[in-house]
Amino acid sequence: NAGVTQTPKFQVLKTGQSMTLQCAQDMNHNSMYWYRQDPGMGLRLIYYSASEGTTDKGEVPNGYNVSRLNKREFSLRLESAAPSQTSVYFCASSENPRGNQPQHFGDGTRLSIL
Amino acid sequence: RKEVEQDPGPFNVPEGATVAFNCTYSNSASQSFFWYRQDCRKEPKLLMSVYSSGNEDGRFTAQLNRASQYISLLIRDSKLSDSATYLCVVNPRDYKLSFGAGTTVTVRA
Repeated sequence: NAGVTQTPKFQVLKTGQSMTLQCAQDMNHNSMYWYRQDPGMGLRLIYYSASEGTTDKGEVPNGYNVSRLNKREFSLRLESAAPSQTSVYFCASSENPRGNQPQHFGDGTRLSIL
Repeated sequence: RKEVEQDPGPFNVPEGATVAFNCTYSNSASQSFFWYRQDCRKEPKLLMSVYSSGNEDGRFTAQLNRASQYISLLIRDSKLSDSATYLCVVNPRDYKLSFGAGTTVTVRA
């Protein structure tokens, strides 16, 4: 029972490089989310997709883009990586976007920007 | 002011002890509340939802105080496996969950 799967698990980039973080869920959830987690801070929402075909900005969207490829998949792209984007990135999904629904997380991508 | 604030701890307790900690939230319109557990460098996992009347799940008890805008988590008969960071999560409005930075609990033998 995979749940939410993220790839890659680890990545090191140089400043200015681009890359895409992949996320897929097999729970038939409508809503998907991308967060970043930095030391001493709570998870911060980057972007979310309330349902297939829609995406919206979260708290910290600058420097990122997303694509909801289909109901299962939601990718996060860094067009020109910066050291400030060094973080752990978590993808999550929920049945629907209403806040009373718990979210299920992937096991994260640890990204370092040199 | 942060939307959700937690005492970072760490709370160091012996096995079998009871440990309790709170988190405060700033948005009085918040409707849903959760505790998540996060083990070192792993993904957050839902521990329990928090209901208005308070609720228990085995050794874990969660309480909500809307008047003072805080929720609490109490762990009874602590086990070594309870060592983790506990994240307080609040829903201030639709489409958004606000996460606290976490309270670290270490249970020692």
